[in-house]
Amino acid sequence: GAVVSQHPSRVICKSGTSVKIECRSLDFQATTMFWYRQFPKQSLMLMATSNEGSKATYEQGVEKDKFLINHASLTLSTLTVTSAHPEDSSFYICSAKPGGRSTDTQYFGPGTRLTVL
Amino acid sequence: QKEVEQDPGPLSVPEGAIVSLNCTYSNSAFQYFMWYRQYSRKGPELLMYTYSSGNKEDGRFTAQVDKSSKYISLFIRDSQPSDSATYLCAMSDLSGGYQKVTFGTGTKLQVIP
Repeated sequence: GAVVSQHPSRVICKSGTSVKIECRSLDFQATTMFWYRQFPKQSLMLMATSNEGSKATYEQGVEKDKFLINHASLTLSTLTVTSAHPEDSSFYICSAKPGGRSTDTQYFGPGTRLTVL
Repeated sequence: QKEVEQDPGPLSVPEGAIVSLNCTYSNSAFQYFMWYRQYSRKGPELLMYTYSSGNKEDGRFTAQVDKSSKYISLFIRDSQPSDSATYLCAMSDLSGGYQKVTFGTGTKLQVIP
């Protein structure tokens, strides 16, 4: 149980275009989902926290108008990178926290590798 | 000073060795401690989750937490080549009413057959 999927797994786009990444919890409902970014040889950096039906909470330094997050249902959150630039190239990973459980365990998706040319 | 410090390695050990991975932290508010395993180009996979000080064992893995020293460890017994991956420690508290997890930079482990 507790499987999280991401789509696409890899995307290459031109500078200036927008890219949407989907994160789905397959076998549980996720009241909270998280979006991370990971650069090579660096740790995961939390970008934002989204709760179903409400606005996402962004970490300091993350542009909310550039990284649009929509948590439309208890099993789906999307991250849209708008007007992507080469410096946005990174590994984007989502995680989901099951609702109603007392633990703080997050389950991670397999990640999406974004390359902006 | 980073909130969580972790030696990036790489750490190379022969198959069958006991591996010790460590993290130190500075934020005394951290209450939950986790170890994740991340294979290349994949998302992290939860290995161990602990709340209190002491040891927790799961198969070949033992997680140890010492809150007084702000130090956590992951031990891997009888290491296997399939254990070769990057191991991330992670810690969380309730910050601003919601959980926030802080990760270490990860230690790359290579188990040589």
